[in-house]
Amino acid sequence: DTGVSQNPRHKITKRGQNVTFRCDPISEHNRLYWYRQTLGQGPEFLTYFQNEAQLEKSRLLSDRFSAERPKGSFSTLEIQRTEQGDSAMYLCASSPDRRFTEAFFGQGTRLTVV
Amino acid sequence: AQSVTQLGSHVSVSEGALVLLRCNYSSSVPPYLFWYVQYPNQGLQLLLKYTSAATLVKGINGFEAEFKKSETSFHLTKPSAHMSDAAEYFCAVSAVAAGNKLTFGGGTRVLVKP
Repeated sequence: DTGVSQNPRHKITKRGQNVTFRCDPISEHNRLYWYRQTLGQGPEFLTYFQNEAQLEKSRLLSDRFSAERPKGSFSTLEIQRTEQGDSAMYLCASSPDRRFTEAFFGQGTRLTVV
Repeated sequence: AQSVTQLGSHVSVSEGALVLLRCNYSSSVPPYLFWYVQYPNQGLQLLLKYTSAATLVKGINGFEAEFKKSETSFHLTKPSAHMSDAAEYFCAVSAVAAGNKLTFGGGTRVLVKP
């Protein structure tokens, strides 16, 4: 068990460019979550998957954001036409599909839009 | 709807002194509550969780928290602070009916003085 892995750890991009982040969850976990954390704030829920199905999306997830989890394994989060307000830490977490269980977080991808 | 309020965005304690971090929650259903710790540029690590069993919960690194339903609180304590406890701490509530997604408080940054 190597934990939740996120790549890249850091990304600097110019405004208007597209970026894609990858998350590899713990292998036996069928739930996968994306959160966004801005400086000095707690993480905010973006979306989650149960296996390959995207079951909920936050209103924070504008049309420029899209997430996928093909075959219920790794997940990608894509941001199109990035804006400076997208600068944040993007956190991925995974958990088993059962009650009383916690989410296990990756180390995050820090996005800076210049 | 669920929400979490953490009182005090910054707490400064002396090494060896009591650490007390306050968390109040709002939930329309019986809550599952968590405390996570985050070190700079890292993901979140679980300290402890409350899942409707014992109201006094012990976690890692000497931390514990007490669930008080009448006060809708879940305060985190540690009897004696260490320099290594300097970090940001987040209280969170889980929505079981929504895939266990987490709603976080704004966080409390702990500074430990020698």
